[in-house]
Amino acid sequence: EVQLVESGGGLIQPGGSLRLSCAASGFTVMSNYISWVRQAPGKGLEWVSVIYSGGSTYYADSVKGRFTISRDNSKNTLYLQLNSLRAEDTAVYYCARHVDASLGPIDYWGQGTLVTVSS
Amino acid sequence: DIQMTQSPSSLSASVGDRVTITCQASQDISKFLNWYQQKPGKAPKLLIYDTSNLEKGVPSRFSGSGSGTDFTFTISSLQPEDIATYFCQQYDYLPITFGQGTRLEIK
Repeated sequence: EVQLVESGGGLIQPGGSLRLSCAASGFTVMSNYISWVRQAPGKGLEWVSVIYSGGSTYYADSVKGRFTISRDNSKNTLYLQLNSLRAEDTAVYYCARHVDASLGPIDYWGQGTLVTVSS
Repeated sequence: DIQMTQSPSSLSASVGDRVTITCQASQDISKFLNWYQQKPGKAPKLLIYDTSNLEKGVPSRFSGSGSGTDFTFTISSLQPEDIATYFCQQYDYLPITFGQGTRLEIK
């Protein structure tokens, strides 16, 4: 059974850093494209970043230069490093698996981890 | 970036009603349009992929159509468990973009 379990969220001051983790099971993180998608409280969904099966990475303009997506194949885990955090980064962050090695539909989502940026 | 304009933003309907949500892309995205359902406090769930394909296990009362820039999502007979927010999403181009969502309520 495919599962994605995020962790690492919390309350952080503006300008701070945080690393989110997404532990995958039931498939290997190298075999699918995997995105991070966030949702600010009461708002819609915003795509943040994707890592391709080949390792290429892409980011939304709103986080480019501040966030870094990566994976550890040996741990079957995906990461999102969040630096220079701003109040507008406050959101639930979801790890989301694309259906195969392409930017196809997202067929599995984690439960989300809440990041709150506030002083 | 491709803008996805979804309407209406909210909708109230009765059990058994036919419900339609539209999504318009700011440029041609061919068939690369998906629909998700999100219930409060939960992650989104894929319902329809590539415009009109029903995800496995999703009831057949859900359907999708369209191509290019104009897309439609339909619930043929609204059920109480369909109360949720629905989002369209394009993946023809990065960045992936979502519609702003349609909150569906029971009248």
